[in-house]
Amino acid sequence: NAGVTQTPKFRVLKTGQSMTLLCAQDMNHEYMYWYRQDPGMGLRLIHYSVGEGTTAKGEVPDGYNVSRLKKQNFLLGLESAAPSQTSVYFCASSRRDRGNPLSYEQYFGPGTRLTVT
Amino acid sequence: AQSVTQPDIHITVSEGASLELRCNYSYGATPYLFWYVQSPGQGLQLLLKYFSGDTLVQGIKGFEAEFKRSQSSFNLRKPSVHWSDAAEYFCAVGPFGNEKLTFGTGTRLTIIP
Repeated sequence: NAGVTQTPKFRVLKTGQSMTLLCAQDMNHEYMYWYRQDPGMGLRLIHYSVGEGTTAKGEVPDGYNVSRLKKQNFLLGLESAAPSQTSVYFCASSRRDRGNPLSYEQYFGPGTRLTVT
Repeated sequence: AQSVTQPDIHITVSEGASLELRCNYSYGATPYLFWYVQSPGQGLQLLLKYFSGDTLVQGIKGFEAEFKRSQSSFNLRKPSVHWSDAAEYFCAVGPFGNEKLTFGTGTRLTIIP
């Protein structure tokens, strides 16, 4: 099992450019998440998905779009990058097992470091 | 709304000394509580979690945490730290049935020989 993988690992964009970050998981998890991590601010939820074809906004969704066309993939798009979007982006996934709460945890990818100049 | 406070931004501990990292949460009902560790340049790894039952939970790498409802705290402890424990530690809270977690701002742990 590769777990949660993210592509690319690093990227530099100019202001106004667009890009898509890819997250893939091979654990058949229902839920997937995109976070951004900034110094002194911890992890903040951008968007999440509770299943194929569904997405929802998190804490800081502005400037980002997402799609979940396949259960194993969750894409994060930046349509017009801004310097404020310079950050480390983490994808995570989790299973849905309401009958066994102790089984719940989020599994994280290695992160993508994005710099917008 | 749920929230997490980690009051210590940075802690320095000597190798072999004991460690306690503080976490205070705000949530109305019984929360899910988690501690994650992030080594430099890596993603987050789960150390331990609490949902109900015994208030002292054991995790990986010799860590434990104690849930204290009266203090709204979930502090992480280790009796003797190793140089490999140097990392950033995040506390997180989430309600059962809703998988959205709220993370604290993290505590960076430095180990000195």
